[in-house]
Amino acid sequence: GAVVSQHPSRVICKSGTSVKIECRSLDFQATTMFWYRQFPKKSLMLMATSNEGSKATYEQGVEKDKFLINHASLTLSTLTVTSAHPEDSSFYICSARDVQRVDSPLHFGNGTRLTVT
Amino acid sequence: QKEVEQDPGPLSVPEGAIVSLNCTYSNSAFQYFMWYRQYSRKGPELLMYTYSSGNKEDGRFTAQVDKSSKYISLFIRDSQPSDSATYLCAMSFNQAGTALIFGKGTTLSVSS
Repeated sequence: GAVVSQHPSRVICKSGTSVKIECRSLDFQATTMFWYRQFPKKSLMLMATSNEGSKATYEQGVEKDKFLINHASLTLSTLTVTSAHPEDSSFYICSARDVQRVDSPLHFGNGTRLTVT
Repeated sequence: QKEVEQDPGPLSVPEGAIVSLNCTYSNSAFQYFMWYRQYSRKGPELLMYTYSSGNKEDGRFTAQVDKSSKYISLFIRDSQPSDSATYLCAMSFNQAGTALIFGKGTTLSVSS
């Protein structure tokens, strides 16, 4: 089945630094990828939609200058958390679908647990 | 009213039990319905997805969608300890792969 790889799985950084998270579709092409955020015992909240070759679309309340998204190829999207603060500590998960399959569902990466100290 | 409601549980059952997980939703425009399983500190894993109303079966799992009642269910037969996880329902308005609206998830524990 479709596989989405996310890296790193866990990162600890100091307040004020930036962290980059990578999301790759391993055996399919994805013109669109989605970035979610999940707090403990809470549901996944969509942060932004990453579009290959164009600007990302951000959900209401998500700061685009803080969460930089780049979708440079059909298999890679990156999320950079800039000037991270402790309140940015969360579980970030990316997802993608196979554009060559009609009605292909979303497949998720294994997430990145970010801890900002 | 939230778009997707899901009882967070926790739900505890003995091994071999039949488990019923449910979600209700408010927007009748939802067309695609999915169930994901999420183990601790992992990303969600797709279990089932269905389009519009009806049933779908895959091994021990059966997904049901009742659009008239805005109600979806996931049944797990012969539950196993390895089924212990959080189960998330999700739905979308158009293609199955577009941005999903998730329920909060139900935490299931199956004891041996």
